[in-house]
Amino acid sequence: GQQLNQSPQSMFIQEGEDVSMNCTSSSIFNTWLWYKQDPGEGPVLLIALYKAGELTSNGRLTAQFGITRKDSFLNISASIPSDVGIYFCAGSAFRSGTASKLTFGTGTRLQVTL
Amino acid sequence: EAGVTQFPSHSVIEKGQTVTLRCDPISGHDNLYWYRRVMGKEIKFLLHFVKESKQDESGMPNNRFLAERTGGTYSTLKVQPAELEDSGVYFCASSPFAGGNTGNTIYFGEGSWLTVV
Repeated sequence: GQQLNQSPQSMFIQEGEDVSMNCTSSSIFNTWLWYKQDPGEGPVLLIALYKAGELTSNGRLTAQFGITRKDSFLNISASIPSDVGIYFCAGSAFRSGTASKLTFGTGTRLQVTL
Repeated sequence: EAGVTQFPSHSVIEKGQTVTLRCDPISGHDNLYWYRRVMGKEIKFLLHFVKESKQDESGMPNNRFLAERTGGTYSTLKVQPAELEDSGVYFCASSPFAGGNTGNTIYFGEGSWLTVV
């Protein structure tokens, strides 16, 4: 089956620093999504990417859909304590708008120190 | 508008017992999904309903797992008999409709945390 390799597995950074994480796949995805999971809660969608090469921002978050369709990255600028959590990438093989299953990465656990 | 709700939030059962998890999707959402995350690994797809029909159940691990969505509203996921390796968090998710719109966001519930001892 499809697999997503997400790195790094965990990060410890200081407040105000920038963060970068990425996902790579052995196969093509037509949709890339980035989710954040806070303790005891379900994943919440941060950014959705539907076209190869697309660069999308949501506040301090920026994500890009790789040209090869096999990778994506997420950047967080000027991190704050509430950025703590687990970040998951997810890919879908189907075109945008078509309901389909997601393949998730293994997650990046982010810790922010003051 | 209420989000995706799941019940129970936590459950501890003995090996061999039965557990039934319930999911209420966002009202009007045709698509309902079950996912689970086991032992700190990635979140894995279990199955997908479109209304009351099973669209894709390729992720169901074995025949101890049974999912239903009678009437196309809420869904249940039954594990019978439960095994130790079934421990983990089971997420339900829903999305509005089947196609044609880039805004078909998938919304997740808070999860049902299952511990089998």
